[in-house]
Amino acid sequence: DQQVKQNSPSLSVQEGRISILNCDYTNSMFDYFLWYKKYPAEGPTFLISISSIKDKNEDGRFTVFLNKSAKHLSLHIVPSQPGDSAVYFCAASGLGTYKYIFGTGTRLKVLA
Amino acid sequence: DAGVIQSPRHEVTEMGQEVTLRCKPISGHDYLFWYRQTMMRGLELLIYFNNNVPIDDSGMPEDRFSAKMPNASFSTLKIQPSEPRDSAVYFCASSQDRGLGGNTIYFGEGSWLTVV
Repeated sequence: DQQVKQNSPSLSVQEGRISILNCDYTNSMFDYFLWYKKYPAEGPTFLISISSIKDKNEDGRFTVFLNKSAKHLSLHIVPSQPGDSAVYFCAASGLGTYKYIFGTGTRLKVLA
Repeated sequence: DAGVIQSPRHEVTEMGQEVTLRCKPISGHDYLFWYRQTMMRGLELLIYFNNNVPIDDSGMPEDRFSAKMPNASFSTLKIQPSEPRDSAVYFCASSQDRGLGGNTIYFGEGSWLTVV
């Protein structure tokens, strides 16, 4: 029972273009969402987060959008750079819990 | 500041052997998590601790897996006996409760386990 789903296992984008990574969740109790980036042979590193009281959070080239009614969030990277090539995980937790549930990840490849 | 430290980085063991993975969380963090990464299931939460006390172990796959946190700076994940299907990358992570609702968790570099 996958509560957090990343339905695209991989994505290729040209350098300079926008990368859009998607994530869907099923548990309406989730109210805090995070994105992590993972390079090979390294641990995941935190990228950006969003609380359910917001619908958008921006940090430099990275913006996360949350659509609560659709139970959907997306990560936009603009402009995409070759160094962004990695696996991206979305994660969700409910208020007052620290049980972070991760998706299966999307492998992004930014082509130079 | 040192991040989450895990050992060993790589372990190859024979089926039936005991495996112990170790973790040192970030100093001052009061939550510790053990995750397992596989191709099919992505990052699965196995267990997490708060102030050294196990809070949720519902993700531990079976009785062969056990985890302890004897003090605030050390945790172990043990598999006994190990099986080939346990081959995966095991991540330890830690977090600090800032009471703000929502916390970032910080991962170690992982322990790559291969059971042959």
